[in-house]
Amino acid sequence: NAGVMQNPRHLVRRRGQEARLRCSPVKGHSHVYWYRQLPEEGLKFMVYLQKENIIDESGMPKERFSAEFPKEGPSILRIQQVVRGDSAAYFCASSPVQGGKETQYFGPGTRLLVL
Amino acid sequence: QKEVEQNSGPLSVPEGAIASLNCTYSDRGSQSFFWYRQYSGKSPELIMSIYSNGDKEDGRFTAQLNKASQYVSLLIRDSQPSDSATYLCAVKDSSASKIIFGSGTRLSIRP
Repeated sequence: NAGVMQNPRHLVRRRGQEARLRCSPVKGHSHVYWYRQLPEEGLKFMVYLQKENIIDESGMPKERFSAEFPKEGPSILRIQQVVRGDSAAYFCASSPVQGGKETQYFGPGTRLLVL
Repeated sequence: QKEVEQNSGPLSVPEGAIASLNCTYSDRGSQSFFWYRQYSGKSPELIMSIYSNGDKEDGRFTAQLNKASQYVSLLIRDSQPSDSATYLCAVKDSSASKIIFGSGTRLSIRP
């Protein structure tokens, strides 16, 4: 996984609670991407962030979901008032530069289960 | 809506044979293409990237790209049981930095 760290690895929440997922990119990588994977489906892009900036959030639901990548610390994906349909694996990926041929390296993911 | 299409499988191949995985994409301007392998319950692992038309070989893996046909493929020679996994084709969006993934092809190598 090339050093991308995600925590927690598993998260259980009841409907209506908040879920907070953290991602620390590979050291030296300044670009972070969040993806969601539903069971038996491919990865769906959610949001792309650089330090202190959201570059592309076209894949993120307009309500209840937010993301940040502060100057210091990990990137956070926050889901407010979770519903059962939010149950999925959430993967973070990082890359060193924007554009060009850079590849994205994935973290181990956070499996969210909403009861 | 830019799309990446893969046959979901499962594709069953005998051990030692060649496994052939195919992918088509809709974004004609895409320049970067990737194959990821994902074991059940694990995160995607990059196995090949390809940027130019033609073949690119890395060990038992060969990626093939045909931009005119908007087609990418992955060949796995001398298939091993450990190759059994879901293979995700991914294409970098030409107008954004995001990567668009196909839904994956499940590959099963039978001993």
